[in-house]
Amino acid sequence: DVKVTQSSRYLVKRTGEKVFLECVQDMDHENMFWYRQDPGLGLRLIYFSYDVKMKEKGDIPEGYSVSREKKERFSLILESASTNQTSMYLCASSVSGTYNEQFFGPGTRLTVL
Amino acid sequence: RKEVEQDPGPFNVPEGATVAFNCTYSNSASQSFFWYRQDCRKEPKLLMSVYSSGNEDGRFTAQLNRASQYISLLIRDSKLSDSATYLCVVNGDTGRRALTFGSGTRLQVQP
Repeated sequence: DVKVTQSSRYLVKRTGEKVFLECVQDMDHENMFWYRQDPGLGLRLIYFSYDVKMKEKGDIPEGYSVSREKKERFSLILESASTNQTSMYLCASSVSGTYNEQFFGPGTRLTVL
Repeated sequence: RKEVEQDPGPFNVPEGATVAFNCTYSNSASQSFFWYRQDCRKEPKLLMSVYSSGNEDGRFTAQLNRASQYISLLIRDSKLSDSATYLCVVNGDTGRRALTFGSGTRLQVQP
């Protein structure tokens, strides 16, 4: 069974902290994605990766960075958390090639105080 | 203009009703279209792909109108379990490997 897991369901951090969100998939997928989801704005793509050590900016990369050292793991880093980064963060993965079905993790609800 | 636009709803319908959602997209070169379903406090999951000729999966029918740049989802004989948010998904930028998600249409099926 397809599985994408995220390190935390809920996270509370303080402004200025460095925050790491981890995502692991067990499907040997090449592509991995990080989105944030906010009411009325839908899912917005932050970064994605189509191979180990490869990354591409999505629509809203400012304030975020990513790391993909192993195929199964894709990390999202908030270098200095701010209150406007309070959101639901969703990780997804898909097989190689474009526009294939994306499988999502359960999400991390991040609150920055 | 947003790349993918949906009526947020909510659409409140009785059990057994037929309901339809539309979604418009801005990039005329888009090639791939999907409907995802997202239950409350859960992650999105693929409901169905949308093919040029239209396609059906049980009570669900998806259609694509390239000329007017919209896709639709029709649900027949609505069930309580159909209550969810339906996300329209398009490959908005053909130069990019990622998909663009609409903000969703909420459906509430009532007994």
